[in-house]
Amino acid sequence: ETGVTQTPRHLVMGMTNKKSLKCEQHLGHNAMYWYKQSAKKPLELMFVYSLEERVENNSVPSRFSPECPNSSHLFLHLHTLQPEDSALYLCASSRRITWANTEAFFGQGTRLTVV
Amino acid sequence: DAKTTQPPSMDCAEGRAANLPCNHSTISGNEYVYWYRQIHSQGPQYIIHGLKNNETNEMASLIITEDRKSSTLILPHATLRDTAVYYCIVRAPFRSNDYKLSFGAGTTVTVRA
Repeated sequence: ETGVTQTPRHLVMGMTNKKSLKCEQHLGHNAMYWYKQSAKKPLELMFVYSLEERVENNSVPSRFSPECPNSSHLFLHLHTLQPEDSALYLCASSRRITWANTEAFFGQGTRLTVV
Repeated sequence: DAKTTQPPSMDCAEGRAANLPCNHSTISGNEYVYWYRQIHSQGPQYIIHGLKNNETNEMASLIITEDRKSSTLILPHATLRDTAVYYCIVRAPFRSNDYKLSFGAGTTVTVRA
């Protein structure tokens, strides 16, 4: 248990569906992140939030839409996904954004399958 | 971030110490060495980090050479649950506009009974 909780753990959705992934942390961290991990590939950073403001968007397609309503919650809204978007989606948080002598805490991930 | 080199895989006997090497010969003076691991289908888990002194916590020990060009993660008594991919990451603090924690290929550690 890392203190970062992701729901759901597994999700199967059709290409025309709209779904949302949720991430929650009550560690008092100021920074939250979405990562994507495809099979046999390194982790890819998708979005970064610091104090509820988005600070980085790594050229992620618009079919992925993040939302950070407060410093404890992070969402990833999904719509019209493609089968190649099937992956493990990981949320992480850290005390602050600059990684200064601090560790990142990851959630267990949501295994997404797009059919 | 400094590039790291790790062996792709290693086996370890249950109950024995596992010593995982990492080379980071281009490390800068202000860069920390972090170790994470990822058990199959789970999120990465922080293990330990250090700057130049050896560090120990409840999970592992980190030995950094005096020239800081390499380090070793030691799992003192490996269990089957330690089977995972272990990532060595070198990272500088206080960097703006670069928030990515970059994971390379790591070392796949298999603990055998």
